[in-house]
Amino acid sequence: EVQLQQSGPELVKPGASVKISCKTSGYTFTEYTMHWVKQSHGKSLEWIGGINPNNGGTSYNQKFKGKATLTVDKSSSTAYMELRSLTSEDSAVYYCASMDTTATDAMDYWGQGTSVTVSS
Amino acid sequence: DIQMTQSPASLSVSVGETVTITCRASENIYSNLAWYQQKQGKSPQLLVYAATNLADGVPSRFSGSGSGTQYSLKINSLQSEDFGSYYCQHFWGTPYTFGGGTKLEIK
Repeated sequence: EVQLQQSGPELVKPGASVKISCKTSGYTFTEYTMHWVKQSHGKSLEWIGGINPNNGGTSYNQKFKGKATLTVDKSSSTAYMELRSLTSEDSAVYYCASMDTTATDAMDYWGQGTSVTVSS
Repeated sequence: DIQMTQSPASLSVSVGETVTITCRASENIYSNLAWYQQKQGKSPQLLVYAATNLADGVPSRFSGSGSGTQYSLKINSLQSEDFGSYYCQHFWGTPYTFGGGTKLEIK
């Protein structure tokens, strides 16, 4: 069974950074690309970017360039997203989602979400 | 960037009814479209990929159609577990934008 387990909720101060993790199991980590999605309270979904765990290659939504950095640790089958210079606009739930580009070419599996609250 | 316009934004329906949600892309996305269902407080779940293909385990009352810039998700004989929010997302080049969502509520 494919599982994406994200790290717990974060309460961070304005201007700080936060790093969210997404630990995967149930599939070969390098075979699916990993993506991150933002959902502000009560709003729609925004694609932040994606990473190819096989070679570390990344693609970012221009809106999140400079805000988000995606990395992976193949040894632990874990993906990470770091958000920097946080403001209240970054308060949201963030999801990781894996994409099987050889089959569905869509976000097949999702983590449970990590809530980030930016507040002093 | 490709914009995805989803309609309606909300829908109030009864169990047993049939509903159709539409998504219009700002340019041709060549059927590179997925639909997701999201229930309150939960993560989205894939329903349809490549515009017309049901994801594993998705009931056959769901169906996707469309081509070019116009796509639809149809739910036949709505069940109580179908209530929630629905989103489309294109995969024709990054950024992979989502539609604004459709909230399906019980009448």
